[in-house]
Amino acid sequence: GIQVEQSPPDLILQEGANSTLRCNFSDSVNNLQWFHQNPWGQLINLFYIPSGTKQNGRLSATTVATERYSLLYISSSQTTDSGVYFCAGLIQGAQKLVFGQGTRLTINP
Amino acid sequence: DAGITQSPRHKVTETGTPVTLRCHQTENHRYMYWYRQDPGHGLRLIHYSYGVKDTDKGEVSDGYSVSRSKTEDFLLTLESATSSQTSVYFCAIGGTSGASTDTQYFGPGTRLTVL
Repeated sequence: GIQVEQSPPDLILQEGANSTLRCNFSDSVNNLQWFHQNPWGQLINLFYIPSGTKQNGRLSATTVATERYSLLYISSSQTTDSGVYFCAGLIQGAQKLVFGQGTRLTINP
Repeated sequence: DAGITQSPRHKVTETGTPVTLRCHQTENHRYMYWYRQDPGHGLRLIHYSYGVKDTDKGEVSDGYSVSRSKTEDFLLTLESATSSQTSVYFCAIGGTSGASTDTQYFGPGTRLTVL
């Protein structure tokens, strides 16, 4: 079936810590993207990462398409990193994204 | 940020009334999408459009219709609102005109409450 699964569902860290969020996706999904939904509800695109590694400041993402997973790394966490992180993949043969259930990240000061 | 606006941003309505939500973009993206977000379900696709007058269903399309008469506007209509349609609705755009979708950008969302 078409699946995108994220882990862990919840993560609570102290400011300054590093974190790794994981996304597993099924064979029928590709073209992974990562989004951050801030506490005000705004969804922000972080990475479009079908394969390989990208970095943007303290955030980086790696997708290993052959093994059907993607990782989002957040280093030196700040309280503004709090929110829900979603990964989503494009259903092959269709212009539709399927989303994982999200990882809720809470960064405490 | 991509130029996407949604209107209204908040709406309270009664069961059985029709409701139309509007998504407007200034980016000339070919693809436009409507999602709903509910606790425990994440984001689910309602309908999407791949061009003017070209639309297709998503995974939760029952009770919803869409229209796209020009590139910049994508309307979502709840034909007869029900309490189960209380949700936060997000519009998204993706791809450049003539190309397939890649990165999607989201609007600010519309919070709809059906009493």
